Amino acid sequence: QKEVEQNSGPLSVPEGAIASLNCTYSDRVSQSFFWYRQYSGKSPELIMSIYSNGDKEDGRFTAQLNKASQYVSLLIRDSQPSDSATYLCAVNLPGNQFYFGTGTSLTVIP
Amino acid sequence: GAGVSQSPRYKVAKRGQDVALRCDPISGHVSLFWYQQALGQGPEFLTYFQNEAQLDKSGLPSDRFFAERPEGSVSTLKIQRTQQEDSAVYLCASSLQGSGNTIYFGEGSWLTVV
Repeated sequence: QKEVEQNSGPLSVPEGAIASLNCTYSDRVSQSFFWYRQYSGKSPELIMSIYSNGDKEDGRFTAQLNKASQYVSLLIRDSQPSDSATYLCAVNLPGNQFYFGTGTSLTVIP
Repeated sequence: GAGVSQSPRYKVAKRGQDVALRCDPISGHVSLFWYQQALGQGPEFLTYFQNEAQLDKSGLPSDRFFAERPEGSVSTLKIQRTQQEDSAVYLCASSLQGSGNTIYFGEGSWLTVV
């Protein structure tokens, strides 16, 4: 079992809708959680980090963490065509290891 | 520097050739990571340095892969006797010391082995 699991998609949503991206992780000692966005041919860029249970909002993005269920999600409100990209979930383990999921491809349809 | 810098950006190597990929992390960043990303996949962990110490090299796929960071700043990932399956983007990332700190990626080195 991989450390981080994501549905590879593709996920398609109409412009203005809410996009929901999900991620599960296997190691209960995971401490920190990150969402990165990667445009085709580019390197990953950080969208949000979350460290404690609950929701964290930043503009149109909301990250949700449930450590008991080992689940982290990203909601994108009012989706825009420019949000079309691959979204990578990452977990940080003690010892500073970072593991990434395979990514979910999102397409926002105008 | 302002960001993580990697070179070369693009490299075409003949099978069996040795290659060296360079990473210059963000100034002051203690931790440095190398990842391999194949097309359509997420970044796969290769190795991790804290200063000059290589603390984890469990992700290196074979003994043909070697990484170093002798002065705790610039790092080099070396691949000996390249094979076609080595074709991928090699991403370098750096972070401030300690768990929980965000890692920032360079633009990657795109390696094609022909």
